[in-house]
Amino acid sequence: NAGVMQNPRHLVRRRGQEARLRCSPMKGHSHVYWYRQLPEEGLKFMVYLQKENIIDESGMPKERFSAEFPKEGPSILRIQQVVRGDSAAYFCASSPDLNSPLHFGNGTRLTVT
Amino acid sequence: GEDVEQSLFLSVREGDSSVINCTYTDSSSTYLYWYKQEPGAGLQLLTYIFSNMDMKQDQRLTVLLNKKDKHLSLRIADTQTGDSAIYFCAETRSGSARQLTFGSGTQLTVLP
Repeated sequence: NAGVMQNPRHLVRRRGQEARLRCSPMKGHSHVYWYRQLPEEGLKFMVYLQKENIIDESGMPKERFSAEFPKEGPSILRIQQVVRGDSAAYFCASSPDLNSPLHFGNGTRLTVT
Repeated sequence: GEDVEQSLFLSVREGDSSVINCTYTDSSSTYLYWYKQEPGAGLQLLTYIFSNMDMKQDQRLTVLLNKKDKHLSLRIADTQTGDSAIYFCAETRSGSARQLTFGSGTQLTVLP
């Protein structure tokens, strides 16, 4: 049973470009979460989605960031017009329901040059 | 201040026990978790405890929860060099739609 799959593992973007981060949850998991880890810090919640629905986006920056989890295919975290401060590790997690622990992927490390 | 606090560093000798501590502030915490992060990797769920429990043991790992003091600890018995990593304490709170609030992590270094 494959774990949470994230790709790419590393992503380099120039300032002003778009970054697209993909996450495939574990098989049987319909709840997806995105977290951001800035250097030397813990993880901060960004958004929680179920299929085709955003449940909680209270941790998402108000501009340039968006997330989706379509009926078919992976969840996508999209960052438009990236800036240097967006450089971080972005982790996706999934769970089968609200009462089970979250399982994390290996993350996408975004570097903005 | 931070909602979940951990000390930043801990060093132990191989074979000794490690105790990593965590304090939290929200009394509505429902689940408390310990995750392990090795360099360049994601977070591995080690164990978790529901807030109405005091203790949970799983092989070399023992979790103790003092709900009155809002203190959580992770004890690793017979610590090995492979246990060197960053350990994150995290909590979920009722009514927060499954947000995890993480501490800043404790870097555990196991010395030979």
